[in-house]
Amino acid sequence: GDSVTQMEGPVTLSEEAFLTINCTYTATGYPSLFWYVQYPGEGLQLLLKATKADDKGSNKGFEATYRKETTSFHLEKGSVQVSDSAVYFCALSSQGAQKLVFGQGTRLTINP
Amino acid sequence: GAGVSQSPSNKVTEKGKDVELRCDPISGHTALYWYRQRLGQGLEFLIYFQGNSAPDKSGLPSDRFSAERTGESVSTLTIQRTQQEDSAVYLCASSRGTINEQFFGPGTRLTVL
Repeated sequence: GDSVTQMEGPVTLSEEAFLTINCTYTATGYPSLFWYVQYPGEGLQLLLKATKADDKGSNKGFEATYRKETTSFHLEKGSVQVSDSAVYFCALSSQGAQKLVFGQGTRLTINP
Repeated sequence: GAGVSQSPSNKVTEKGKDVELRCDPISGHTALYWYRQRLGQGLEFLIYFQGNSAPDKSGLPSDRFSAERTGESVSTLTIQRTQQEDSAVYLCASSRGTINEQFFGPGTRLTVL
């Protein structure tokens, strides 16, 4: 079945560091790919998405590129801030399916 | 506008009791989803509604779990004879259509003692 594997956390960085959170997937066909974020005390919200190969999703300085050849959708940000501290979830939605399949989440802590 | 709301926000119950969790989707959203998030894990899909029918119930863990939806509105997830392994945060999401962004509620934290 479909699955998502993401980098285990927790990840701790200093402010202004470069961030990469790895995400790889297994799915048939051409899934849509997502990054969701859960800030402390808040609900899960969509950060960015990409719906076809080579698409780049971006939002709030974060980027992720849909790489079909490596079945990856790694999340990157050039300079993180304390306010980026949150749990990040990679997810996919297969063609013809409505449900989201999530990775286990990566807790990110940014220290000032 | 109002987002997805869920109630209660927290529920503590004793093993063997039944619980009902409620989800109010965003107005106009035809699709509704239930997920479960166990401690330290990702979200597991439980069930999906399109209108008031449930084309995909594949994630319901056992026959103790059931869900219903009234029209394109409120949904309730019922867990009968709760077990300790049912302890989790239960999240509801809604979307305008089946291929659109899912908007999540704040969740109901269920603790079974």
